[in-house]
This record gives sequence, structure tokens and C-alpha cells, in this order.
Amino acid sequence: ETGVTQTPRHLVMGMTNKKSLKCEQHLGHNAMYWYKQSAKKPLELMFVYSLEERVENNSVPSRFSPECPNSSHLFLHLHTLQPEDSALYLCASSRDRGAGELFFGEGSRLTVL
Amino acid sequence: AQSVAQPEDQVNVAEGNPLTVKCTYSVSGNPYLFWYVQYPNRGLQFLLKYITGDNLVKGSYGFEAEFNKSQTSFHLKKPSALVSDSALYFCAVRDTLNYQLIWGAGTKLIIKP
Repeated sequence: ETGVTQTPRHLVMGMTNKKSLKCEQHLGHNAMYWYKQSAKKPLELMFVYSLEERVENNSVPSRFSPECPNSSHLFLHLHTLQPEDSALYLCASSRDRGAGELFFGEGSRLTVL
Repeated sequence: AQSVAQPEDQVNVAEGNPLTVKCTYSVSGNPYLFWYVQYPNRGLQFLLKYITGDNLVKGSYGFEAEFNKSQTSFHLKKPSALVSDSALYFCAVRDTLNYQLIWGAGTKLIIKP
């Protein structure tokens, strides 16, 4: 069983849909992250949670809404997305916030039509 | 501003030859530096890090990286490339203010048989 699991791996949605991405970590880590990965661009940090409390929100549009019900689970709720939101969304965890060694899931490939 | 640069979009190396993937950084204070690898359709995996100490850091899969403070560089190296090393490589530095990682845009490494 991998340390960080993301579902679904692929998602296609229309601009008016509502969907959610799920992330689960089995490593006992205290911090969890959502990143957006677009081709040939640096990873964009979207949200950081530490001990279930959101500590970073890097000016992400409100159509992305995170939820962290406990230290093992992280969700990204999506609604009224735009085609430019199509990307690979990566979840990661680390022992503590600021620990540079991150453990990533395999990502959720999102396509917005 | 703190930043990371990976000057090459792509590096091509013949199998068995040494490889170098370049990274330069700009931070205030002492840098914490990282390399990650992303294989096709997978999340990122931690390769190695420099925090302090010996300028030559050894990591996973036979990779190493050399920290050069005067040149503000942290190049990734391997003495003998394998076809299986073909992947996307990301350099990152920890932001000294908020402790989050600042990422390079990635370098695609292609190892030809």
C-alpha cells in the first residue's frame, strides 16, 4: 500500500459540475498539501494543512475549496471550474509543516471541458 | 525574491555516460535544497537533500548532488546513466520565511540506449 493515495486518478468534468478529489496518507504525518502541476511550470502550492488546520492559502480561487477532516484525509472540492484549471493535482504529506521531504500521491488528472 | 532556476528544459544523455542536471537558487540565509524525480504518470519522489555539512550529497538510485555556495548551485549528477533514469527532475529550495518549498520548472532527462 502506497503512503499517499489519491482518487480518482482521472476526472473529466464540465464547467458547471461539482466534484471532489480525495487524498489519504498512511504515514502518520502532521502536514498535508495540495499542489497544481501544469506542463513546464513549477509546482504551484495551493493549500497547506498542519494538524488539520489550514495554514497556507496561496491566493487560490474560491472555486477550489479544501477540507481536512482529520490528519489522514484531505479533500479538494471543485465547482464551476474553468478550462484553464485542467492540470494534474498532487497531494503530498510531510512529517511536519516545513519539513522539506514531501511524500506525494500519484495525482489526479483533471480535465475541464 | 527567493527562487529556483533549472536552465535546461531537456537533457539528453547516452546510456552509460555521466549525467548532470543543473539547478541554481536564490535565497536569503542558509539554503535547504532538494531534488525530486517524477516518472511518467506518477507523483514526485524525494531523491536527496542538502541541509548542512558535506557539499556532496548522496541520494537514491545512485544519484548525488553537489552544493556550491559561491555559485549558488545544486547540480544533480550520476556517474553512469541508465535508460530507467529517464524522467522529469525537479529542484527545490525551502523558503526561509514560510518554510514551504519553492520549485524549479523541471528538467526532462532522456537517456538513450
